[in-house]
Amino acid sequence: NAGVTQTPKFRVLKTGQSMTLLCAQDMNHEYMYWYRQDPGMGLRLIHYSVGEGTTAKGEVPDGYNVSRLKKQNFLLGLESAAPSQTSVYFCASRIAGGPSNEQFFGPGTRLTVL
Amino acid sequence: DAKTTQPNSMESNEEEPVHLPCNHSTISGTDYIHWYRQLPSQGPEYVIHGLTSNVNNRMASLAIAEDRKSSTLILHRATLRDAAVYYCILRDVGQGAQKLVFGQGTRLTINP
Repeated sequence: NAGVTQTPKFRVLKTGQSMTLLCAQDMNHEYMYWYRQDPGMGLRLIHYSVGEGTTAKGEVPDGYNVSRLKKQNFLLGLESAAPSQTSVYFCASRIAGGPSNEQFFGPGTRLTVL
Repeated sequence: DAKTTQPNSMESNEEEPVHLPCNHSTISGTDYIHWYRQLPSQGPEYVIHGLTSNVNNRMASLAIAEDRKSSTLILHRATLRDAAVYYCILRDVGQGAQKLVFGQGTRLTINP
């Protein structure tokens, strides 16, 4: 199993450009999450999904959109990138059920917006 | 979400035990205590979790106070690879999406 993979690993954007980050998991997990991590900080939840075709807002959703058309993929879109969105983005997934089940994280995407 | 309080940083020596404290004085009866760690330039990884009883696994032990207002993650014999940021997180059994709320964690440095 590859686990949770993220594409791309690095990206540099100019202000106003758009892009999509792809998260894929091969563990048949129902739940998927997108987080961002700024320097010296903990992770903050952007959006999440509890199943195919469903998404919900997290702690810091502004400026981002998401889609979960297939169970194994969770896409994070930036329609008009801003320098404040410079961050490392992590995707995670877990099986449905109670609070005992762990989240599995991807390796991250480092995004710089100039 | 109930909050946790951890020291910003700790330092220990290789092959010695490490005790990482976490205070969660407002914990509710349905909150599980989870620990994740983040190695440099990697995503977080699960370490251990517990509800009331002490727990052991291949990575660490979790000691939970009787009143559940604090817990301690124990690394029995630290290696250089254990240098990471350790996050103590509470998760409510009633919260459907089981979101994780990360604080700033404890940055653990291991000296050779």
